Amino acid sequence: DAGVIQSPRHEVTEMGQEVTLRCKPISGHNSLFWYRQTMMRGLELLIYFNNNVPIDDSGMPEDRFSAKMPNASFSTLKIQPSEPRDSAVYFCASSYGTGSYNSPLHFGNGTRLTVT
Amino acid sequence: QQPVQSPQAVILREGEDAVINCSSSKALYSVHWYRQKHGEAPVFLMILLKGGEQKGHDKISASFNEKKQQSSLYLTASQLSYSGTYFCGTDSNDYKLSFGAGTTVTVRA
Repeated sequence: DAGVIQSPRHEVTEMGQEVTLRCKPISGHNSLFWYRQTMMRGLELLIYFNNNVPIDDSGMPEDRFSAKMPNASFSTLKIQPSEPRDSAVYFCASSYGTGSYNSPLHFGNGTRLTVT
Repeated sequence: QQPVQSPQAVILREGEDAVINCSSSKALYSVHWYRQKHGEAPVFLMILLKGGEQKGHDKISASFNEKKQQSSLYLTASQLSYSGTYFCGTDSNDYKLSFGAGTTVTVRA
C-alpha cells in the first residue's frame, strides 16, 4: 500500500498568497483528518471528514482556511490569504471506520509551509 | 481539550526503562500512542480501548485506566531506535483524536 500521500512536501509563499495542500488517503479508508503541527501548539486537529462529508471543522482557525473532499481519494486544504502565523507542518491522516475510536491513524509525510 | 503528558522529556541509556503518562479531564473511550522521529510523520504504536486493557508492541507496552482517565506507556530495556517524540491521542467519543504535547525520549548508547 502506498500510504497517505501529501503534496507538496514543502511550500514557501509570500504573505497574502493562496496556498493549496493536497492529500490522497489510503484506499478503503473512509475517515480523513487534517492536522497542523507547530512547536507552540503541538498537533492540532483542523477538520475531520467521514465518507467525504465534513463532520467537525471546529478546529479550523479562521475563514481563511477551507477544506474539501470531493471524492474518497482526494482532499484539499486551502489557505487564502496566507499569513506568516500559518507557517507549520500540515499533516493529513486517514483511518478506516468512523473516526478514530478503534482504528489507527495513518499519517502522510506532511507539508512544511513557510509564509514570509 | 488536549490530554496532558508527562514528563516533557526523558534521557535514557540503552537498556533502561521509562514510563510516559497521559491524563485527560474528559471521559475517554480510547487512547492511541504514536511515535514521531525528527522530520517524519507520527507512526502508530497501539490503541487501548475502554476496559482497562494492556497492550504490548515488542518491549513497548501500555495500560489504560478509564476510571482515572489515564494511560501510561512503558518503554522496557530501551533501544537506540526508541528515540523520538511520543504522543498520546485521546478519543472522548467524539470520533476525533486530541493529542498531548508529546514526550521527547532520547536513548544514548
